[in-house]
Amino acid sequence: GAVVSQHPSRVICKSGTSVKIECRSLDFQATTMFWYRQFPKQSLMLMATSNEGSKATYEQGVEKDKFLINHASLTLSTLTVTSAHPEDSSFYICSARDRGKPSSYNEQFFGPGTRLTVL
Amino acid sequence: AQSVTQLGSHVSVSEGALVLLRCNYSSSVPPYLFWYVQYPNQGLQLLLKYTSAATLVKGINGFEAEFKKSETSFHLTKPSAHMSDAAEYFCAVASYGGGTSYGKLTFGQGTILTVHP
Repeated sequence: GAVVSQHPSRVICKSGTSVKIECRSLDFQATTMFWYRQFPKQSLMLMATSNEGSKATYEQGVEKDKFLINHASLTLSTLTVTSAHPEDSSFYICSARDRGKPSSYNEQFFGPGTRLTVL
Repeated sequence: AQSVTQLGSHVSVSEGALVLLRCNYSSSVPPYLFWYVQYPNQGLQLLLKYTSAATLVKGINGFEAEFKKSETSFHLTKPSAHMSDAAEYFCAVASYGGGTSYGKLTFGQGTILTVHP
């Protein structure tokens, strides 16, 4: 149980285009999903917290107009990188919390990540 | 505010040797602490977690960690390393606050474990 998928796993795009990444909880409902980015040989940095049915909460320094997050259902959140540039190339990872677990459990289940390369 | 410091960005051990990965945390409230493992080009897999129950936590693949409040540490150990343990390991602390920040993880810098034959 507690499987999170991401699609696509790898994407290459031209500078100036937009890219959408999907994050799905396959066997549980997730009221909260998180989006991280990870640069090579670095740790995960939280970009935003996505709550179903409400606006995402962005971390300081993350441009909300550039990284659009939509959490339209209890099993799907999307991250759209708008007008992508080479500096946006990174490994994007999502995670989700199971709404069926007690709050004290507090565990996040991670997706396999999406490698974005902007040429 | 909370933070995590992992001492040593690279640790190298021989197969069969003890694995010790260090993690110190800073938190103004009782923390939830986690260790995750990441293999190349993959997401994170939970090894174990501390949620204020037993201070010695056993996880998957023979790993365990001990929560020491006096030392603000949560070091990860494994008695005997296997080649398959080679990966990057992240220590993380979870926000205890309510609202939209609840469950937010702060990660350490990561430690790459290399296992030699």
